[in-house]
Amino acid sequence: DVKVTQSSRYLVKRTGEKVFLECVQDMDHENMFWYRQDPGLGLRLIYFSYDVKMKEKGDIPEGYSVSREKKERFSLILESASTNQTSMYLCASTGGVRRHYNEQFFGPGTRLTVL
Amino acid sequence: AQKVTQAQTEISVVEKEDVTLDCVYETRDTTYYLFWYKQPPSGELVFLIRRNSFDEQNEISGRYSWNFQKSTSSFNFTITASQVVDSAVYFCALSEAFGNEKLTFGTGTRLTIIP
Repeated sequence: DVKVTQSSRYLVKRTGEKVFLECVQDMDHENMFWYRQDPGLGLRLIYFSYDVKMKEKGDIPEGYSVSREKKERFSLILESASTNQTSMYLCASTGGVRRHYNEQFFGPGTRLTVL
Repeated sequence: AQKVTQAQTEISVVEKEDVTLDCVYETRDTTYYLFWYKQPPSGELVFLIRRNSFDEQNEISGRYSWNFQKSTSSFNFTITASQVVDSAVYFCALSEAFGNEKLTFGTGTRLTIIP
């Protein structure tokens, strides 16, 4: 079974703190994604990566950055957390054309609260 | 630009009733994929189905069925003889058939099954 894990289920941070959200997948997937989920807005794509050290902006990248130094790990970084970044963050991965093409596997999510 | 509309924000039905969740999409692509995901109270998104735009056959899986109609750009989801375990938020999503596989989600429908 594909497994996507996220470092924390719940996180509480203060305004201005630097926050790292970690995501790891164990299926050698090429593509990885970060979404945020807010009531009434569904899931919105923040950033995605289709290879190591490669990244592309999604629909709402402002205030976020990402890092992918290894294929299995994709980190979301909030350089200076703000209260409007309080949300549920979901990581996902897909295998690309070789495997699990177009079927995204999701992690359990991290509920981040910024005070 | 791609767009997915789930007009039903919340639905409540009594157990054993049938219920249909609506999904309407917009895309300029001629080839694309449509998805349904379930998000139970635990938070993790669970993949339910993927449908290629070339395949308009309806699909049935146990109590679940999906009706894809390209002419109306709809991909509706029906649960027959609903059960309390079906209570969840359901998301419809759309992706390109080729390329980076990023998903465009609808805003979700919260389904509550009343015992």
